[in-house]
Amino acid sequence: DAKTTQPPSMDCAEGRAANLPCNHSTISGNEYVYWYRQIHSQGPQYIIHGLKNNETNEMASLIITEDRKSSTLILPHATLRDTAVYYCIVRVDHTGTASKLTFGTGTRLQVTL
Amino acid sequence: DGGITQSPKYLFRKEGQNVTLSCEQNLNHDAMYWYRQDPGQGLRLIYYSQIVNDFQKGDIAEGYSVSREKKESFPLTVTSAQKNPTAFYLCASIPDRGEAFFGQGTRLTVV
Repeated sequence: DAKTTQPPSMDCAEGRAANLPCNHSTISGNEYVYWYRQIHSQGPQYIIHGLKNNETNEMASLIITEDRKSSTLILPHATLRDTAVYYCIVRVDHTGTASKLTFGTGTRLQVTL
Repeated sequence: DGGITQSPKYLFRKEGQNVTLSCEQNLNHDAMYWYRQDPGQGLRLIYYSQIVNDFQKGDIAEGYSVSREKKESFPLTVTSAQKNPTAFYLCASIPDRGEAFFGQGTRLTVV
């Protein structure tokens, strides 16, 4: 599985959009980009994933560049409850073989008043 | 309700003692994973398993052992060979397609 790199920390004012970047320059054609977040002392929570098209759900939007080497998670109106560590990972979705699913150190997002 | 359950939530271990962390899922997922998280750090992969009676070492398997006798269960044993076992341990199950589901974690402390 391809590795990802993320900035270690970011700040965002409450009510503003939070844009979290992720670099995955060695991504393979069949690898999906997944985003999770972890609030202190809890298990990570799934946010969104995509292959090559932009995706949106009730939590966030995912923008994947045309060459798929990077992506951005967008929280459109950040609140204090969005303060967490955000992980970007890439994974092949297929049957029969468990992938060595690795997480990096993520981006610690601090939402402030 | 389908989900993944880790127990206990808190565990204390004496030096030199083996302890086993439980992970159970009723999501019918084949793949299960164990991660270790130290304060302020990301998740590091210990072991993972695709099917019953098969498992693979992750990046930090030394001092740990696992078994996969049932699809629903993937217990992790922290052995006395693990010199620094104090950490937060997370179990996950993952379907062939789609997102991973994580348990709420076990916090292990050596006393």
